[in-house]
Amino acid sequence: EVQLVESGGGLVQPGGSLRLSCAASGFTFSDYAMSWVRQAPGRGLEWVSGISAGGGDTPYADSVKGRFTISRDNSKNTVSLQMNSLRVDDTAVYYCAKKSAGPRPFDSWGQGTLVTVSS
Amino acid sequence: EIVMTQSPATLSVSPGERATLSCRASQSVSSSLAWYQQKPGQAPRLLIYDASTRATGIPARFSGSGSGTEFTLTISTLQSEDFVVYYCQQYNNWPPGTFGQGTKVEIK
Repeated sequence: EVQLVESGGGLVQPGGSLRLSCAASGFTFSDYAMSWVRQAPGRGLEWVSGISAGGGDTPYADSVKGRFTISRDNSKNTVSLQMNSLRVDDTAVYYCAKKSAGPRPFDSWGQGTLVTVSS
Repeated sequence: EIVMTQSPATLSVSPGERATLSCRASQSVSSSLAWYQQKPGQAPRLLIYDASTRATGIPARFSGSGSGTEFTLTISTLQSEDFVVYYCQQYNNWPPGTFGQGTKVEIK
């Protein structure tokens, strides 16, 4: 059974940093691309960043480019999102999601971790 | 960036009836269109991909159709657990895989 478990969310002040992690199990992690998708309270879904299976391709949404960094460790089956210069509008539940290589949908999602940016 | 527009924002339907949800893309996405279901407090779940293929374990009452810019999710006979929010997503133009704003199916 595929499992994706996010951690690292919490309350942080504007301008602060936070590092999210997602632990994967139940599939061959190194064969799949991973992404982070967020959902602001009461709002829709927004793709944030992705990373290819080998880690060489790391696209970002314009809204987070230059502030967020995605990485993965295929030896530990984890994907991380380093979030710097956080803003109030980064407040959201952050989901990690799995997909096959190339243009494919997200076939599995974690339960999400809440990030609240507030003073 | 491709913009996905879902309609209606809220759909009021009686249990046992059919629900038809629409999703329109600002430009052609071929058949690279997915539908997700999201229950309150839960992560989205993949229902349909490639416009019309049901994901593993999805009941047959869920069906998808369309190609290009116009897509439809049909729930043939609404069950109580189906009254939640549905999102479409295009993944033809990747990244980003843009989502629609969602349609909430509520009990009439």
